[in-house]
Amino acid sequence: EDQVTQSPEALRLQEGESSSLNCSYTVSGLRGLFWYRQDPGKGPEFLFTLYSAGEEKEKERLKATLTKKESFLHITAPKPEDSATYLCAVQANIDYGQNFVFGPGTRLSVLP
Amino acid sequence: ETGVTQSPTHLIKTRGQQVTLRCSSQSGHNTVSWYQQALGQGPQFIFQYYREEENGRGNFPPRFSGLQFPNYSSELNVNALELDDSALYLCASSTTRVGYGYTFGSGTRLTVV
Repeated sequence: EDQVTQSPEALRLQEGESSSLNCSYTVSGLRGLFWYRQDPGKGPEFLFTLYSAGEEKEKERLKATLTKKESFLHITAPKPEDSATYLCAVQANIDYGQNFVFGPGTRLSVLP
Repeated sequence: ETGVTQSPTHLIKTRGQQVTLRCSSQSGHNTVSWYQQALGQGPQFIFQYYREEENGRGNFPPRFSGLQFPNYSSELNVNALELDDSALYLCASSTTRVGYGYTFGSGTRLTVV
């Protein structure tokens, strides 16, 4: 069974204090790993897709990396507006109609 | 682009009742998926529709059913509501079944009392 875990569950950072979020996954053939940002009361907002080990993607203060068993979301010099829940999801090759398997998310708070 | 819109935004129902949630997909998107997100958890896949046919289903009972219409709008129907059905229901649309570029709506918050 495909599974995704994320750590830590919650993270509080001071503005400018860089850190990383972890996503560990077990999937029967990875089609893609996705990172989403979710603000309270809103739907997830797409950030990145990673397809193969060694791949990296960047967007402003965020950088996502992928290995064969986990992905990291690195946040450099975060600002209070980066506060949100960050969700990781995987999609498997096996079932063409199968959708994302999401992790529980990491709640990030960036204090001014 | 108009994005994905869901209605209603909030809903309160009594246990045993039936509910219909609606989703208007982003223009040009022919694939729609529905997810259930309990408080503090990640979204869980309910089912996907592609060109009006169910194209995949998660571990949800048959009382969760759906429809996709020719204009690619969609409905999620839940019969015999249970307290555990209380959650945020999210709709996501895409131009493909693969998953790249999914756009999520803001969801419908369902409370079952």
